[in-house]
Parts: sequence; structure tokens; C-alpha cells
Amino acid sequence: AQSVTQLGSHVSVSEGALVLLRCNYSSSVPPYLFWYVQYPNQGLQLLLKYTSAATLVKGINGFEAEFKKSETSFHLTKPSAHMSDAAEYFCAVERGGSQGNLIFGKGTKLSVKP
Amino acid sequence: DVKVTQSSRYLVKRTGEKVFLECVQDMDHENMFWYRQDPGLGLRLIYFSYDVKMKEKGDIPEGYSVSREKKERFSLILESASTNQTSMYLCASRRRNEQFFGPGTRLTVL
Repeated sequence: AQSVTQLGSHVSVSEGALVLLRCNYSSSVPPYLFWYVQYPNQGLQLLLKYTSAATLVKGINGFEAEFKKSETSFHLTKPSAHMSDAAEYFCAVERGGSQGNLIFGKGTKLSVKP
Repeated sequence: DVKVTQSSRYLVKRTGEKVFLECVQDMDHENMFWYRQDPGLGLRLIYFSYDVKMKEKGDIPEGYSVSREKKERFSLILESASTNQTSMYLCASRRRNEQFFGPGTRLTVL
């Protein structure tokens, strides 16, 4: 069975600082992994996805994530936080053989201090 | 641009009412999904559909049903609303490993 764990329900950084949001997965098959972002009062938007090509994946708004099989991790990073990055971030893994069903982590709320 | 729309942004219903949440996508996607989102629990899959009139239970289907009579429309039905169904409901459709989400319906059951 697949699962996703996001470490830290709240993360706070200063504007200009590094953003690091942690995600670990469990999967018995090669995983497809995703990061989604949710701004207040909106639906989710795809930031980036890993589908077994390059292990370093670049997404929108300057975010990137690295797939590390040995660590079963897919952490999201951004070198320099901007106030507009304040949102909730969800890591997800695609359930094998499931018509594209996703299993989501519980989310990490990112705050950015001026 | 893919567009997924949901019939209401906010909805208030009373316990025992039958509630319909509608979702429409405009990109001819075959797969559509209903999730509920609760603080600290993330998104949990209620039902999904991979074709017209086809549906599968997700992780938390109890108290819900769905209908997909046309490819573009996927409806979530609360047969008899209860207070523990107060939540944010998100609909999504899927194309090539990417799910596209609607803006959500915040349902309050009194």
C-alpha cells in the first residue's frame, strides 16, 4: 500500500530565506509523485510532478523537488521565499493501477514573514 | 486552459436534507474525482469515475453517492446530510497524470 507523510504541519520562513517542505513516501511500485499548492479559498494547483524521468524536477514559481529513492523522499525547495508563496502545500503519490487516484499527505502550511 | 467548475462556493444545509454538489469540466477528461478536505487530514477521496455511468468507491464513501450521466459532469450526493459532513468538497478531473481541481464548495450542515 502506498502512503505519504509530510513532516511539519506548519513551516515559517523569512522572506528571502530557503523554503524546504519535507515529504516521504511509501510505495511498493515505482511511484509517481506530485506537489500541489492551495492558496486561500482556492482549489489545488499542480506545482510539479515526478513520473520516473529526471530525478530533479522543476516546477512553477521557482520551486523544485528531488526524488531520492534511497531515502524515499520527495522534498520541495525554493531558494528564496516570497510573500506570495504563503499557502498550503500537499505532497501526493499516485495509487498503483488505480485510474490515477492520488493519496495526499496532510499538508504543510507555509508562512512567510516580511 | 482546463476549467473545472463547481456549482456553489458556499452552501448551508440542514441535517437530513438531500444535497447535490455539481462539478463540470470542459476538457473531455474521462477520469473525475470527489474529495473532501478537512484541517489536519488533507484530502480524502470519496468517489471517482473513469467513464460515463462508471463509478468506484474511494477511501471514505459512507454517506455519499455519485452520478455521472454525461462525461463532463460528475455529481456528489449526500442522501441525508449530517453535521459530520460539514467540510470543503473538491472536485477534480484528470489528464495525463495531472489532476485539475475546481475551486471547492464549503458545505456547512446545521
